[in-house]
Amino acid sequence: DTAVSQTPKYLVTQMGNDKSIKCEQNLGHDTMYWYKQDSKKFLKIMFSYNNKELIINETVPNRFSPKSPDKAHLNLHINSLELGDSAVYFCASSPFLSSGSGFGYEQYFGPGTRLTVT
Amino acid sequence: GQQVMQIPQYQHVQEGEDFTTYCNSSTTLSNIQWYKQRPGGHPVFLIQLVKSGEVKKQKRLTFQFGEAKKNSSLHITATQTTDVGTYFCARDMRFGAGTRLTVKP
Repeated sequence: DTAVSQTPKYLVTQMGNDKSIKCEQNLGHDTMYWYKQDSKKFLKIMFSYNNKELIINETVPNRFSPKSPDKAHLNLHINSLELGDSAVYFCASSPFLSSGSGFGYEQYFGPGTRLTVT
Repeated sequence: GQQVMQIPQYQHVQEGEDFTTYCNSSTTLSNIQWYKQRPGGHPVFLIQLVKSGEVKKQKRLTFQFGEAKKNSSLHITATQTTDVGTYFCARDMRFGAGTRLTVKP
């Protein structure tokens, strides 16, 4: 069984379109994340949800809207896609949200969704 | 949030040579994590360091956390082709830029 799954694996679309990426984790974790990895492999946090509640929104354009229908799912909807949105998007989960003052929690990543905007 | 700086960006070694990547922070870190991403794959958690001066080993991999908890390193002894990939240090959700390791057989 895949711990963190994402669909689709590949997404090719034109500028201006709207698309969604789905993520599910079966680990029973409380916290889920979306990351963007650009062509230089830089991994940047976009959003973090804890128990369906948005915790972190990292200066991401409001064309990106995450939705967490329940603790096991965190979907990402992107409106009006732009060329610069082309990247690999990773979903991840961890048992709890790292407090920032002590013990951190390992993150389990999904296989990624390669988004290409033409 | 705190950003961690990682060097070098790239490292190319001959199989059997050692490899080290370094992670630095301008502020004290409560913990540091290391991940490995194989080409075409996703980041996989390797280890977390929490204590000042901590050293942990996983077979040929040695992880260190500095005494001041502002730096960390990952050392691989006698690299193998299976070590190829990008190694990231991370503090919570903030990842370093990664060190991309290639190994020539």
